[in-house]
Amino acid sequence: EVQLVESGGGLVQPGGSLRLSCAVSGFTLSDHYMDWVRQAPGKGLEWVGRTKNKANSYTTEYVASVRGRFTISRDDSENSLYLQMNSLKAEDTAVYYCVAWYAGSARDWGQGTLVTVSS
Amino acid sequence: DIVMTQSPDSLAVSLGERATINCKSSQSVLHISNNKNYLAWYQQKPGQPPKVLIYWASTRESGVPDRFSGSGSGTDFTLTISSLQTEDVAVYYCQQYYSPPYRFGQGTKLEI
Repeated sequence: EVQLVESGGGLVQPGGSLRLSCAVSGFTLSDHYMDWVRQAPGKGLEWVGRTKNKANSYTTEYVASVRGRFTISRDDSENSLYLQMNSLKAEDTAVYYCVAWYAGSARDWGQGTLVTVSS
Repeated sequence: DIVMTQSPDSLAVSLGERATINCKSSQSVLHISNNKNYLAWYQQKPGQPPKVLIYWASTRESGVPDRFSGSGSGTDFTLTISSLQTEDVAVYYCQQYYSPPYRFGQGTKLEI
């Protein structure tokens, strides 16, 4: 059974940092593209970034609003995906989901972890 | 960047009736090399993560009821629910995955 479990969310002050983790099981992480998607309270979905698979050199891509502040990494040996978030702003407040892609389909999503940026 | 625009923002449909949601991309998401449209549809219920319904614009994900169908090509796409059920009440999103940033539409709230 495929599982994605996010952790690491919480309350952080503006300008602070937070590292989210996504523990995966039931599939080989290195074979898959992985995304982070966020959803501000009561709002729609926003794609944050992607790490491609091993075959594509783990290339990363980001939405402009987080580029230079957020970094996606992965440890395939630990079956984990990470999102390092620095210089956090109030507008980064959201539920953050990790997403696994299979042959053109974002088939598996975690339950999400809430990040609140507030003083 | 490719901008995704859904219409309508909200929709009320009677049980058993057809529901149609539209999604328009600001640029074509049809990849010439494989003739695939890089467009997906998702359903999100309150308190739950999104669930993929349709990918490649018209391929139904495994386990998704066949009352859900996707159509369109290039820049104009449609999600159709042929006979609305109570469990279909949700917010629906389209997403392009042709080029980054892989934006979502703003969402369409479907009610009975």
